[in-house]
Amino acid sequence: DSGVTQTPKHLITATGQRVTLRCSPRSGDLSVYWYQQSLDQGLQFLIQYYNGEERAKGNILERFSAQQFPDLHSELNLSSLELGDSALYFCASSVGGTRPYEQYFGPGTRLTVT
Amino acid sequence: AQTVTQSQPEMSVQEAETVTLSCTYDTSENNYYLFWYKQPPSRQMILVIRQEAYKQQNATENRFSVNFQKAAKSFSLKISDSQLGDTAMYFCAFMKQTGTASKLTFGTGTRLQVTL
Repeated sequence: DSGVTQTPKHLITATGQRVTLRCSPRSGDLSVYWYQQSLDQGLQFLIQYYNGEERAKGNILERFSAQQFPDLHSELNLSSLELGDSALYFCASSVGGTRPYEQYFGPGTRLTVT
Repeated sequence: AQTVTQSQPEMSVQEAETVTLSCTYDTSENNYYLFWYKQPPSRQMILVIRQEAYKQQNATENRFSVNFQKAAKSFSLKISDSQLGDTAMYFCAFMKQTGTASKLTFGTGTRLQVTL
């Protein structure tokens, strides 16, 4: 158990819908990262937040957005869902700051778009 | 942009034997960090080992060790005394830290099967 929690574990929804994935980082961690794992794209970095502020952005679609709240939990919002958005979405956390700490991953949310 | 290449899609090793997984990367950076992550059938991503590019000494964690060749941009993982529980996908990852910003760039993974 990494200490990073993600809810829900599984999500099945229809095309065009909107969903919210939630992540709680390990106690004491200030950075949260979101990754997408799909069969065709592999593991891809989406976005990073550090202490509530966006710090790094990857190939995140405009239909996707994220935020980190004052209690440091984070949410990833996916809208106008397409079949190709079906994937495993991971949240990871690290101590953050200017030192390169390891990232610890949550169990993931499996999203299926039908 | 950094790229990470894992040229072995699948590998197999017998229990108690040693296996080496390959990883190469491309970067113009001098200071960076490399990782190996394991993803068993449960799909959980588990950190195996970490290497700082400025360190010449290869990292080791129990049965896991790396061979880091900075000039060759190579970062292989050696698993000694393989166990059935080592069966998993293994991902090599590159990280560059800039201020408080960082991200992991992953390779495509190597599926390792440990057999009796």
